[in-house]
Amino acid sequence: SQTIHQWPATLVQPVGSPLSLECTVEGTSNPNLYWYRQAAGRGLQLLFYSVGIGQISSEVPQNLSASRPQDRQFILSSKKLLLSDSGFYLCAWSRGRRAEAFFGQGTRLTVV
Amino acid sequence: EDQVTQSPEALRLQEGESSSLNCSYTVSGLRGLFWYRQDPGKGPEFLFTLYSAGEEKEKERLKATLTKKESFLHITAPKPEDSATYLCAVGHNAGNMLTFGGGTRLMVKP
Repeated sequence: SQTIHQWPATLVQPVGSPLSLECTVEGTSNPNLYWYRQAAGRGLQLLFYSVGIGQISSEVPQNLSASRPQDRQFILSSKKLLLSDSGFYLCAWSRGRRAEAFFGQGTRLTVV
Repeated sequence: EDQVTQSPEALRLQEGESSSLNCSYTVSGLRGLFWYRQDPGKGPEFLFTLYSAGEEKEKERLKATLTKKESFLHITAPKPEDSATYLCAVGHNAGNMLTFGGGTRLMVKP
């Protein structure tokens, strides 16, 4: 069966510090990978998606970047965090464009 | 631009009181409508995918239906453990992303 791992679960970082969130998927190959952000009481906003190694598409211009160094690894990064980067970050994978997406358990990021 | 609107924003039910959640959407070429359940502090859990108008899916006390403009999530005789936020999302043929609605927060009291 397929599983998705996302860590850490919670993170408190000072403004201006770097960020690295990691997501890995097991039990499948060549998945589509996604990073979403969920603000309090609001829907999910797609930040980045990837259809293959080294292929990253950005949906929202921002202070964040993403990388896919391996087939089943997706990393969300920032060089300098802003207060507005606080939120609930979710990684997800799907088998293809018509398939449903499966989500990790999320990372609660608080920038102070 | 794809748009998804869910109503109501919050719904309080007594245990056993059946109701429906609504998801209205505007999308240029629907490739799928997806329902998720999200518990506080957790990632969304996949429930259903609907691909075409008239399609229905069922799972335990939940039943999802789809028309050309909206989807309903019917909850029959809900239990307190059904309390969660229910999210609706649509994907369109031209892209990889899902557009999510704001969710309906369901609270079922015993």
